Amino acid sequence: DAKTTQPTSMDCAEGRAANLPCNHSTISGNEYVYWYRQIHSQGPQYIIHGLKNNETNEMASLIITEDRKSSTLILPHATLRDTAVYYCIVRPSQGISQAGTALIFGKGTTLSVSS
Amino acid sequence: NAGVTQTPKFRILKIGQSMTLQCAQDMNHNYMYWYRQDPGMGLKLIYYSVGAGITDKGEVPNGYNVSRSTTEDFPLRLELAAPSQTSVYFCASSYSQGETQYFGPGTRLLVL
Repeated sequence: DAKTTQPTSMDCAEGRAANLPCNHSTISGNEYVYWYRQIHSQGPQYIIHGLKNNETNEMASLIITEDRKSSTLILPHATLRDTAVYYCIVRPSQGISQAGTALIFGKGTTLSVSS
Repeated sequence: NAGVTQTPKFRILKIGQSMTLQCAQDMNHNYMYWYRQDPGMGLKLIYYSVGAGITDKGEVPNGYNVSRSTTEDFPLRLELAAPSQTSVYFCASSYSQGETQYFGPGTRLLVL
């Protein structure tokens, strides 16, 4: 089972920031927060990941609360092409168990960007 | 780099037929994975491989087989296709277990 909770859907106007929340209250110390997205009919696309510090790359920013129980993915200037299902995933950084191998995808948040 | 490539993009099979889904990566990744995604659902791990010659079962391995003779290739074999195997199949790879997984474009399979 996914260890994260996300809203089912969100809307965003083109050009505005999209803030996607994720709750992961049972996260453990060695688990990272990963974000992927899946545009209709395509394979999941990696966006960003972090452990406890905020992270930024060319696609997005990831804000993780100090207690690490929740995070927010920020798309600073959403475009129509950002319409997709966004998945928040927690997973350990290493380990030999299968639990650390698979990405556990929940149902994610469907983000709809409109003009 | 082409990244992770998959063939075919789409296939229709009759019940009982067999086929091989191809997956290749050119990133010199050690780990490779096969997932399936049923409509409206998340991805489920079928098989994975930690290197050439080494494979292991995931969450839903029944009805599938894999092999890993090279670092680059990780084919998925369906021996006796069943309607329950109608799904979209994604291959992924990563440098190591804890590293980011990169996905291919997927193969849509319809079993009738």
